[in-house]
Amino acid sequence: DSGVTQTPKHLITATGQRVTLRCSPRSGDLSVYWYQQSLDQGLQFLIQYYNGEERAKGNILERFSAQQFPDLHSELNLSSLELGDSALYFCASSVAPGGPYEQYFGPGTRLTVT
Amino acid sequence: AQSVAQPEDQVNVAEGNPLTVKCTYSVSGNPYLFWYVQYPNRGLQFLLKYITGDNLVKGSYGFEAEFNKSQTSFHLKKPSALVSDSALYFCAVSYTGRRALTFGSGTRLQVQP
Repeated sequence: DSGVTQTPKHLITATGQRVTLRCSPRSGDLSVYWYQQSLDQGLQFLIQYYNGEERAKGNILERFSAQQFPDLHSELNLSSLELGDSALYFCASSVAPGGPYEQYFGPGTRLTVT
Repeated sequence: AQSVAQPEDQVNVAEGNPLTVKCTYSVSGNPYLFWYVQYPNRGLQFLLKYITGDNLVKGSYGFEAEFNKSQTSFHLKKPSALVSDSALYFCAVSYTGRRALTFGSGTRLQVQP
């Protein structure tokens, strides 16, 4: 168990809908990352927060947004969902942003868009 | 641009034999290199990392990796494979000032009994 929790584990929704994925980092970690894992794109970095502030953006679509709250949990919002958004979404946390710090991953949320 | 390559989609090895999972990187400057393992329906688990210093890094579950700057490689190794080592292995790279990891495409390790 990495200490990173994600809810829900599974989510099935229809095209055009909006969903929110939630992540709680390991105790003491200030940095949160979101990744998308799909069969055709592999593991893609979406966005990173550090102590409530956005620090880096990766391949995140404009339909997606995220935030980190004062208690350090983070939410990833996905809107106007398309079939191609079906994937595993991982949250990871580290004690500090980037560089040499290893990231610890949650179990993921499997999103299925029908 | 920084990247990592895992040239093998799958590696097959017999239980008890040594295993190697290959990774090469392309980063200007000094890289930080990581190995993660993913079991079915699970998140990625951190195995080991290279920051600086000794080129041979030891990690969890008996795995080790060797950093080779001249060959820009960071291959994952284990002296004696277990069936339970069967999983998907990812190499990743970062560097000073970079805030995220760049992952390779993954290598599926299959250990046969």
